[in-house]
Amino acid sequence: DAKTTQPPSMDCAEGRAANLPCNHSTISGNEYVYWYRQIHSQGPQYIIHGLKNNETNEMASLIITEDRKSSTLILPHATLRDTAVYYCISLTGNQFYFGTGTSLTVIP
Amino acid sequence: KAGVTQTPRYLIKTRGQQVTLSCSPISGHRSVSWYQQTPGQGLQFLFEYFSETQRNKGNFPGRFSGRQFSNSRSEMNVSTLELGDSALYLCASSLAPGIVGYGYTFGSGTRLTVV
Repeated sequence: DAKTTQPPSMDCAEGRAANLPCNHSTISGNEYVYWYRQIHSQGPQYIIHGLKNNETNEMASLIITEDRKSSTLILPHATLRDTAVYYCISLTGNQFYFGTGTSLTVIP
Repeated sequence: KAGVTQTPRYLIKTRGQQVTLSCSPISGHRSVSWYQQTPGQGLQFLFEYFSETQRNKGNFPGRFSGRQFSNSRSEMNVSTLELGDSALYLCASSLAPGIVGYGYTFGSGTRLTVV
């Protein structure tokens, strides 16, 4: 049973912010939300994770709603190299549950 | 430092055969997890090994098995291959179970094609 749901695809203009939503209304209160991305033919790459508070690192920002039912990954200035499939993932019992991900295409 | 190394990168097998895939974790990492990725089912957890012991197992038939060696390298085996086993098999390593996020690194995978 998928614990996260994401839109299947999104486009973003190069240089603009990419906002990728994720619904995780069924995760429990102590489950972190992780974001990974997968560029074609490579393994998934860690981006960011959070529990309740908003988080920011050199790659992205993560905004988590107060009720923890959803979150948004923000790539502030998307580049062509950000074209990838983005996964919003929950971790339960040391197992990652991957959803189907969002295929982000950054358009020149 | 070297990343997670998976060998071989590509493999073609015939139905009914068996196959063994290898994963060398990042130096110092002792936990190795395996995933299967297919277009229809996405990324699915297979199993996790730590200190040569299987700690978690996903919902896969007994044809899928694995093991971990004392140097933390891991192998997974699929017996009696079926066409549906065609997939990208990924492994991920971390220092220990439960250490995820930044410390949880995936390899580039082995692309298995069953004909």
